[in-house]
Amino acid sequence: DAGVIQSPRHEVTEMGQEVTLRCKPISGHDYLFWYRQTMMRGLELLIYFNNNVPIDDSGMPEDRFSAKMPNASFSTLKIQPSEPRDSAVYFCASSGSYTEAFFGQGTRLTVV
Amino acid sequence: DAKTTQPPSMDCAEGRAANLPCNHSTISGNEYVYWYRQIHSQGPQYIIHGLKNNETNEMASLIITEDRKSSTLILPHATLRDTAVYYCIVRLSISSGSARQLTFGSGTQLTVLP
Repeated sequence: DAGVIQSPRHEVTEMGQEVTLRCKPISGHDYLFWYRQTMMRGLELLIYFNNNVPIDDSGMPEDRFSAKMPNASFSTLKIQPSEPRDSAVYFCASSGSYTEAFFGQGTRLTVV
Repeated sequence: DAKTTQPPSMDCAEGRAANLPCNHSTISGNEYVYWYRQIHSQGPQYIIHGLKNNETNEMASLIITEDRKSSTLILPHATLRDTAVYYCIVRLSISSGSARQLTFGSGTQLTVLP
């Protein structure tokens, strides 16, 4: 298996633009997680899904952030409009019912 | 989840054992100790977990004290590629049906020196 695949690996955008981050979980995994990592706050959970249904989105910072999982093999995290303080590395992870979480390589987002 | 305390940084000579401590004095009886690591510019990687018995796998060994208030992750023969941030996390087992998310602290930056 190729593992958790995230795209793009790097994204530079201007403030106010919409940004969409993508994630393909490991086949057969039924949990999907989105994390954000910054120097100031470390790794923070934003939202996670179970069987494509959002279970806990309490970590989503504000309404500018939204996440979807239209099917078992794809998820998106969207920021609209983006702001410089959204600059961070965003990680997607997936796990099975009885397996540990596997993380993707992350997307480094820079909002200028 | 119970809180953990780790030293912010440690050094280890290449080829020697790296012993990374973690304090979790408020751990509950049904909570496990998990270790993940994050190599620079990569996503976190699962290493090992345990409840109360010592555990060993191909990556590391986990020693948990009898009172379960602290543990030590041991990398028996550290290499330069083991340089990473190591996170100690206390959580319920994934088979318990509880919340599945991981809560990361600040971890220990392990630097393996040549």
